[in-house]
Amino acid sequence: AQTVTQSQPEMSVQEAETVTLSCTYDTSESNYYLFWYKQPPSRQMILVIRQEAYKQQNATENRFSVNFQKAAKSFSLKISDSQLGDTAMYFCAFTSGTYKYIFGTGTRLKVLA
Amino acid sequence: EAGVAQSPRYKIIEKRQSVAFWCNPISGHATLYWYQQILGQGPKLLIQFQNNGVVDDSQLPKDRFSAERLKGVDSTLKIQPAKLEDSAVYLCASSLTGHYQETQYFGPGTRLLVL
Repeated sequence: AQTVTQSQPEMSVQEAETVTLSCTYDTSESNYYLFWYKQPPSRQMILVIRQEAYKQQNATENRFSVNFQKAAKSFSLKISDSQLGDTAMYFCAFTSGTYKYIFGTGTRLKVLA
Repeated sequence: EAGVAQSPRYKIIEKRQSVAFWCNPISGHATLYWYQQILGQGPKLLIQFQNNGVVDDSQLPKDRFSAERLKGVDSTLKIQPAKLEDSAVYLCASSLTGHYQETQYFGPGTRLLVL
């Protein structure tokens, strides 16, 4: 079975600093996508960043970047220059042609002023 | 562009009662998803529609949950009868074609409390 594990239930970071959220997954699929979604308090979930398994280059979106280690089945999210608006639950998700979206349990990130 | 709309936002019911949730996806999106998000857990896919047909309902508890997407636009999710363990946030999402690489756009969710 495909699984997604987020081992950090809660994290905090000072404003303007950098934080890394961890995600590991287990799959026998050869092609798949990995996502990080952000769910701010009382607001809807939105996509942060996406990575295709076949692409070796790590995805980046402004202050957000990933460290994709395919052999280790690791997909961490780095947030640089953290802002108060980054406070949210962050979910790692896996999807493939066979398996629909499978989400991790989430990491609650709090950015401190 | 209007986002995914859901109603109601909150619902409190007694166990064994029935409840229905409504979702209106982004205009033009062929694929609609219903997720159950229990407190402390990630969203779990309940059912996926492609237009008005069901693509995947393998995790839908069919003895009490039902869903429909008439005319391939709006969708309703019903629980009858509700159990205490159904307390959760029910999220609706949509995507353009349903390809697994696509971004899903989520609604604000309906928070259900079963007493």
